Amino acid sequence: QPVLTQSSSASASLGSSVKLTCTLSSGHRSYIIAWHQQQPGKAPRYLMKLEGSGSYNKGSGVPDRFSGSSSGADRYLSISNLQSEDEADYYCETWDSNNHAIFGGGTKLTVL
Amino acid sequence: QLQLQESGPGLVKPSETLSLTCAVSGGSFSSSNYFWGWIRQPPGKGLEWIGSISYSGTTYYNTSLKSRVTISVDTFKNHFSLKLSSVTAADTALYYCARRIDSSTLKAFDIWGQGTMVTVSS
Repeated sequence: QPVLTQSSSASASLGSSVKLTCTLSSGHRSYIIAWHQQQPGKAPRYLMKLEGSGSYNKGSGVPDRFSGSSSGADRYLSISNLQSEDEADYYCETWDSNNHAIFGGGTKLTVL
Repeated sequence: QLQLQESGPGLVKPSETLSLTCAVSGGSFSSSNYFWGWIRQPPGKGLEWIGSISYSGTTYYNTSLKSRVTISVDTFKNHFSLKLSSVTAADTALYYCARRIDSSTLKAFDIWGQGTMVTVSS
């Protein structure tokens, strides 16, 4: 079954851009994933679906500053013009052949 | 718009059964395009999928929890429930219910409840 690997932390300055990575395990590089944002003390929020081709579809109300891209087994979440409210934990999610949900370990983004 | 709300005891004794309910409102509960699921998050840690159920009762469970988990659905009351038996302190977590898109091109949770904290302690 697929495994999703994320860096534990990332940081970037207010107003700058950042690119977070979610890496699919060997043999699963074509998998589609979803990105979620979890602001401090809040429930996760669905951000987007991201395909291996780099095509992405955002959820309702997700700002234009958020975008997705892919390269091989890597799935990226890019955030431009970073705002203080972007400081959050970001999780990627996929599923296996048994219809089981799989989450990455999450990346804690700090906005400096 | 669709909303989910968890409810249940915030404190459960070790070896007992944790029981939570998720009420769904403001949208279709009986669509075949979605599953309904439970996810938990221990304090300071990441997300762990517990299991999912369709409105017709098809279930999928996390292999590591399968022997202790039961998820059921009540389509008349528009809610679904989680039971986790023989709990220990390791089951202390924030428990979320969520809607899961179930299509050929995406299976992911797209609407989440606010979560409910459950502590296992005597």
